[in-house]
Amino acid sequence: ETVLTQSPGTLSLSPGEKATLSCRASQTVSRSYIAWYQQKAGQAPRVLIYGASSRATGIPDRFSGSGSGTDFTLTISRLEPEDFAVYYCQLYGSSLITFGQGTRLEFK
Amino acid sequence: QLQLQESGPGLVEPSGTLSLTCTVSGGSISTSGYYWGWIRQPPGKGLEWIGSIHYTGDTYHKPSLKSRLTISVDTSKNQFSLRLTSVTAADTAVYYCARRGGYYVLDVWGLGTVVTVSS
Repeated sequence: ETVLTQSPGTLSLSPGEKATLSCRASQTVSRSYIAWYQQKAGQAPRVLIYGASSRATGIPDRFSGSGSGTDFTLTISRLEPEDFAVYYCQLYGSSLITFGQGTRLEFK
Repeated sequence: QLQLQESGPGLVEPSGTLSLTCTVSGGSISTSGYYWGWIRQPPGKGLEWIGSIHYTGDTYHKPSLKSRLTISVDTSKNQFSLRLTSVTAADTAVYYCARRGGYYVLDVWGLGTVVTVSS
């Protein structure tokens, strides 16, 4: 089973700054099967990115995804106040779904 | 607009059985190409995928839960269900149901339901 490790665990930034979140797989995976989610307190997660780099419907273009092989990145170009939340990467493989442990993006 | 709604007891006794149902509205559960899944989140922790089911009954489970887990579908009611036996405090969590759509992402989620395992 492939393990996803996200870093950092917590990221402290201010609105307007750039956020870079990392997701590392324990073995090479297809980028087609990497997704990113945002979860705000008390809410269900929502998908931001699928196929490693495609934005889901309605997601602002300040969110972007990149990467291949074992290393994937979610970038938020200019943080808005509503972006402070927890972010998870997700992998689909061998009919199973795996999540990373999450990165908490907090106000500095 | 597709909506999912979880329902079931909020409190389950240790060693008992946790049973939840997800009702799909605004669309058919029998649409080819989609799987319907369960995800849980223990208090203060991350997301854990539990399993998924297709309307044909094709099912996938998290390996560590497989011996205790049953996921079923009722197309006549547009529902799918989760049954987890021999529960312990470690099964206390918010349980979400969700649709697995294209690119294998969970693109539509229910609001979640809190299940506490306690006597």
